[in-house]
Amino acid sequence: DTAVSQTPKYLVTQMGNDKSIKCEQNLGHDTMYWYKQDSKKFLKIMFSYNNKELIINETVPNRFSPKSPDKAHLNLHINSLELGDSAVYFCASSPDRENSYEQYFGPGTRLTVT
Amino acid sequence: GQSLEQPSEVTAVEGAIVQINCTYQTSGFYGLSWYQQHDGGAPTFLSYNALDGLEETGRFSSFLSRSDSYGYLLLQELQMKDSASYFCAVRSYTGGFKTIFGAGTRLFVKA
Repeated sequence: DTAVSQTPKYLVTQMGNDKSIKCEQNLGHDTMYWYKQDSKKFLKIMFSYNNKELIINETVPNRFSPKSPDKAHLNLHINSLELGDSAVYFCASSPDRENSYEQYFGPGTRLTVT
Repeated sequence: GQSLEQPSEVTAVEGAIVQINCTYQTSGFYGLSWYQQHDGGAPTFLSYNALDGLEETGRFSSFLSRSDSYGYLLLQELQMKDSASYFCAVRSYTGGFKTIFGAGTRLFVKA
């Protein structure tokens, strides 16, 4: 009965590799988000989708490509990984974009690039 | 642009009261949220203020003053389990709703 789930929980990979993180929510929410949390715990919005449509696309390298096959899923693909991509990536959802003040977060994916 | 400021660290004693402040600068302001995050965990929603005043939820209360662009989270009867990071987040509308998080305040509760 997990609300927002992410896989994998840990990801260790080498520079230059391509990797994906998957996110699913069973709350029936319309809006989903990807955040990056660095070592200083700063939580930075990367992307947001509303009903499979991209609505927020912050200044993120185009090596990062989100995909939303349906409104319950939002995946993140990262090409040519760099050391600076090491962080915890959180997926989140909210009922809709108007109610973005209350977001439900997944457990996070700790990405380590070596 | 948007900016939020909150103290990086606060230390308090078990059983005490602590206030975590947040000042913000943004256009199209709609409201202020607070989230708690334990080490190794995910942020969890605590409260939301759209109007001026105090909102109370158990031991936690949140306050907003729109005219001062200021809010705070008040934690009463502190417990060791309250040791965590606390984030304020601004909800604004500029062509669409967006929520931006502050850098977080690390709360240490001592016995």
